[in-house]
Amino acid sequence: DTEVTQTPKHLVMGMTNKKSLKCEQHMGHRAMYWYKQKAKKPPELMFVYSYEKLSINESVPSRFSPECPNSSLLNLHLHALQPEDSALYLCASSRGGGDNQPQHFGDGTRLSIL
Amino acid sequence: EDQVTQSPEALRLQEGESSSLNCSYTVSGLRGLFWYRQDPGKGPEFLFTLYSAGEEKEKERLKATLTKKESFLHITAPKPEDSATYLCAVGGGAQKLVFGQGTRLTINP
Repeated sequence: DTEVTQTPKHLVMGMTNKKSLKCEQHMGHRAMYWYKQKAKKPPELMFVYSYEKLSINESVPSRFSPECPNSSLLNLHLHALQPEDSALYLCASSRGGGDNQPQHFGDGTRLSIL
Repeated sequence: EDQVTQSPEALRLQEGESSSLNCSYTVSGLRGLFWYRQDPGKGPEFLFTLYSAGEEKEKERLKATLTKKESFLHITAPKPEDSATYLCAVGGGAQKLVFGQGTRLTINP
């Protein structure tokens, strides 16, 4: 069992749908991350929140909209996605927002776009 | 630009056959090197953090070492349950981790 919980585990949506991915951690971490992972590839960073503020956006298309309601929760709002957006979406957290601390990952949401 | 290269891309071993995975990195200033294990359909599981050359960490059959240019993940007498993809990542000062492509390890019984 991981300490970063992601819901749902699987999601199938059409290109016109709106859905949200959710992530929760109770480790007291102050940085949270969204990654996208394609098959046989490493995770690819999308967004970083540090102390509940967006600190990094890796030029992600606006059809992906992150939200950090509080230090334990992270959402990713999805709208008008494309088939190439089908992937495993991973959430991670770390104690601080720097790159000198390990990130702890959830088991992801498997997203399929029809 | 920070770069991480892992080798080999894939490795098949017999149970009990020890070996090493390599992670070569190029960063302006290493802030941390991280090893992860990822099973199919799961998120990466954190294994080790290394911060300075000469540092070593151990956990069960795994031992990670670090030099100024590379890190090794040594696997001693592996078992089939050690089969997974092993990812290396570095923090180089850009406030984010740079991942290697991973090594897919298969341990045959």
